Amino acid sequence: DQQVKQNSPSLSVQEGRISILNCDYTNSMFDYFLWYKKYPAEGPTFLISISSIKDKNEDGRFTVFLNKSAKHLSLHIVPSQPGDSAVYFCAASATGTASKLTFGTGTRLQVTL
Amino acid sequence: EAGVAQSPRYKIIEKRQSVAFWCNPISGHATLYWYQQILGQGPKLLIQFQNNGVVDDSQLPKDRFSAERLKGVDSTLKIQPAKLEDSAVYLCASSLNVYEQYFGPGTRLTVT
Repeated sequence: DQQVKQNSPSLSVQEGRISILNCDYTNSMFDYFLWYKKYPAEGPTFLISISSIKDKNEDGRFTVFLNKSAKHLSLHIVPSQPGDSAVYFCAASATGTASKLTFGTGTRLQVTL
Repeated sequence: EAGVAQSPRYKIIEKRQSVAFWCNPISGHATLYWYQQILGQGPKLLIQFQNNGVVDDSQLPKDRFSAERLKGVDSTLKIQPAKLEDSAVYLCASSLNVYEQYFGPGTRLTVT
C-alpha cells in the first residue's frame, strides 16, 4: 500500500529553468509534508516542509505547494542549478504518529547545462 | 555540529550470516530512527526510539531483526540470519523537533 506516490521516476531540466516535482498521497490523515534531497552515497537531507494549514511555503529558490482537496503537493525549484541534480523524496506524517514519516519512491532530477 | 555517524559504510555477507550496524546520532537528539531503503524505493521506517525506549517497531521483522539504543545515545541494528531480500541501504536518522530528521550516510548491505 503505497500511501505516498511519486509517479515520475526521473526528470531532466535545463539550467535556469523551473523544475517541478510532484507527489500524491492517499492517506487523508497526513497533515505535514516534507521534501528531502539525496545525493549518491549520502543520506537524505531536509529541504523544505509544509503544514496542511498552508497551501504554499517558500524558501529561496524552493517552493512547495499543497492542494489538500487533490491530495497533491509539488516542489518548484526556480531557477534550477546543476547542483540541484539529486533524488528528491516526498514524505508525509500524521499528527499523533510520533513523527513517523512515510516516504515516496523518489524522483531523480537531472539539471543539464 | 557533527552529523549522524554510521558504520560500516559497506558490508557484504552471505545469506544466513549475521551483521550489525552502528549509529551515533547528533548530540542532544532524543529521537533515533532506523530505515531500510531498498533500491528504487523510498526509505521505510524499521524502528523508532525516544531516548532508549521503543516508540514504533511495527515494520521491524522481529524474527530476524533486532535493535537497541544504549543509554539513549548510540544504537545498533542487527540482522540474524540475513536473507537475500535484506540487501538494502540501512539509514539511521535522529531528530530534535518532531519532523525534521537528520540522516546519516547509510550502510549499504549486500547479501549474497
